[in-house]
Amino acid sequence: GAGVSQSPRYKVTKRGQDVALRCDPISGHVSLYWYRQALGQGPEFLTYFNYEAQQDKSGLPNDRFSAERPEGSISTLTIQRTEQRDSAMYRCASSLAEGSGGGNEQFFGPGTRLTVL
Amino acid sequence: QKEVEQNSGPLSVPEGAIASLNCTYSDRGSQSFFWYRQYSGKSPELIMFIYSNGDKEDGRFTAQLNKASQYVSLLIRDSQPSDSATYLCAVGYSSASKIIFGSGTRLSIRP
Repeated sequence: GAGVSQSPRYKVTKRGQDVALRCDPISGHVSLYWYRQALGQGPEFLTYFNYEAQQDKSGLPNDRFSAERPEGSISTLTIQRTEQRDSAMYRCASSLAEGSGGGNEQFFGPGTRLTVL
Repeated sequence: QKEVEQNSGPLSVPEGAIASLNCTYSDRGSQSFFWYRQYSGKSPELIMFIYSNGDKEDGRFTAQLNKASQYVSLLIRDSQPSDSATYLCAVGYSSASKIIFGSGTRLSIRP
């Protein structure tokens, strides 16, 4: 079946513009996660959802970042008034179940490479 | 203090040998542990997960978990050049789905 998809794959924007990054999880997966990954580092947690509810947004860097998953499927990560330091690979993952233990293995999408000029 | 620690490497292992990758974590209540492989320019790919103390084997891979010592390791037997990648350790928090990644260990298998 289809894996996690993300769009766009590449986004170049000018400083100060807003961007919206989309994630379409594996069908039936309850939980959806957003990460940011810098070169040579592991993914850095941003936020996650169980169904449509945002469970934890402690990793969002500041209030310019927001995320939603209104129908419990597709999610959008929005960055307002982008800055050059926002340039990174943004990755989305989904898992079948919530909570710890079996079923919460996360599967990643291809990522969106954001470049802010 | 980082919550999940890995040696960044590079770790160089001859082809056919056993590669041993290690990871320590700080949250004693962590309950789920994952190893991801990431090729350069690609997404992380889940290769192993373990929830209980002891060993878990899958093909050439063995994950080992020791909760008392708060470490998890990954052994790769009969290492192949195609195993050359960055290996990310990830640890699940005790009460939520959130997982925290280490910075990864770069593994190089030399022919």
